[in-house]
Amino acid sequence: QLQLQESGPGLVKPSETLSLTCTVSGGSISSSNYYWGWIRQPPGKGLEWIGNIYFAGSTYYSPSLKSRVTISVDTSKNQFSLRLTSVTAADTAVYYCARLHYYDSSTYLYYFDQWGQGTLVTVSS
Amino acid sequence: SALTQPASVSGSPGQSITISCTGSSSDINDYYYVSWYQHRPGKVPKVVIYDVSNRPSGVSDRFSGSTSGNTASLTISGLQAEDEADYYCSSYTSTSILVFGGGTRLTVL
Repeated sequence: QLQLQESGPGLVKPSETLSLTCTVSGGSISSSNYYWGWIRQPPGKGLEWIGNIYFAGSTYYSPSLKSRVTISVDTSKNQFSLRLTSVTAADTAVYYCARLHYYDSSTYLYYFDQWGQGTLVTVSS
Repeated sequence: SALTQPASVSGSPGQSITISCTGSSSDINDYYYVSWYQHRPGKVPKVVIYDVSNRPSGVSDRFSGSTSGNTASLTISGLQAEDEADYYCSSYTSTSILVFGGGTRLTVL
């Protein structure tokens, strides 16, 4: 059974860089039918898509975060990572990693079918 | 959000409710692959509908999805207490951008 687990600091200072890693177990990150994504949810607010990465390295980012976000993948470790620079209190949120099922049986799909448990990251001095 | 949902809906057990998800009229043709997620408090979001109207294995057939014009809809029939949650629509655009709606709080009375 596929599992995703986020890891990283729970507290980041303003203006610094938020770094999280998602470890995938029970399946390969190099599966051709999937992208891997990051989504966040600020306290009391809705879900916000951050970006996706394919195992081969192609990336897609939210236009509102694109200037500050980098998503990378390490297939040897079955992990993908998020870096968000110059954080402010507005970046305080629960951060989820998830698998995006984008293609199957000659059909494009584009939905998140597996999620990590989420990790709360607080931006505060 | 480029996808607009009502902030809240409510219904009594056994009733049916519908949650709408409206794309901006200027670019609605750019929205594809609508999916819907159920997010219960303290739980992980769970997909209940993908590709507009398809149900993943294990999701109750009380959940159904459709589109009309620039609006996608999620209908839950035979409302149950366990359906109380936040629901989010999502769409993948022609520019490879994914967007979520603002979310709808479903209250089962």
